[in-house]
Amino acid sequence: ETGVTQTPRHLVMGMTNKKSLKCEQHLGHNAMYWYKQSAKKPLELMFVYSLEERVENNSVPSRFSPECPNSSHLFLHLHTLQPEDSALYLCASSPDLAAGHNEQFFGPGTRLTVL
Amino acid sequence: AQSVTQPDIHITVSEGASLELRCNYSYGATPYLFWYVQSPGQGLQLLLKYFSGDTLVQGIKGFEAEFKRSQSSFNLRKPSVHWSDAAEYFCALRTTDSWGKLQFGAGTQVVVTP
Repeated sequence: ETGVTQTPRHLVMGMTNKKSLKCEQHLGHNAMYWYKQSAKKPLELMFVYSLEERVENNSVPSRFSPECPNSSHLFLHLHTLQPEDSALYLCASSPDLAAGHNEQFFGPGTRLTVL
Repeated sequence: AQSVTQPDIHITVSEGASLELRCNYSYGATPYLFWYVQSPGQGLQLLLKYFSGDTLVQGIKGFEAEFKRSQSSFNLRKPSVHWSDAAEYFCALRTTDSWGKLQFGAGTQVVVTP
């Protein structure tokens, strides 16, 4: 496996379910990100981790709970979601946070549908 | 506050024709600028980036972009599009004083016709 992988690629869940999204990067990067991509809206940054510590939580509802057990893995735990949370959730990584010109490498995303 | 504007939501272009996608930004200094492409069902792939030096930047897949400070623009161009260029294109900005937060434009959907 190379780059940034995400599982599952598609997820359908009810509003009372608990599920988790997984992201893994094989690039040796120190920073990881969760983004939400909704139809007709710009990408929204949700969470940022650097060396397993959360750097930013962008006013995300508590029904989304991130976890970064090590610098290669990032999870997004989902609980009692709403239909408006249906979106493509993208994970990204970058070498570190310090150098602004570093690009972020994106995974393919998880398409989430909340019924 | 900084912002990124992509004025064109949707562009249709014939295969073999040239393509130009517009991106305007608002920021008090020179930002770091990026163009990403997203094919259907895929994540974002970096096409090119600008952070200093030559204002004409070459990227992958035959794309180039020109940074124009006077116009606060970073337009993406390709001389001759291929059917595989049909995708959504995102311009993004990172301020030079931030630690990594990318601000994206709303995207431009490109349709390529035969």
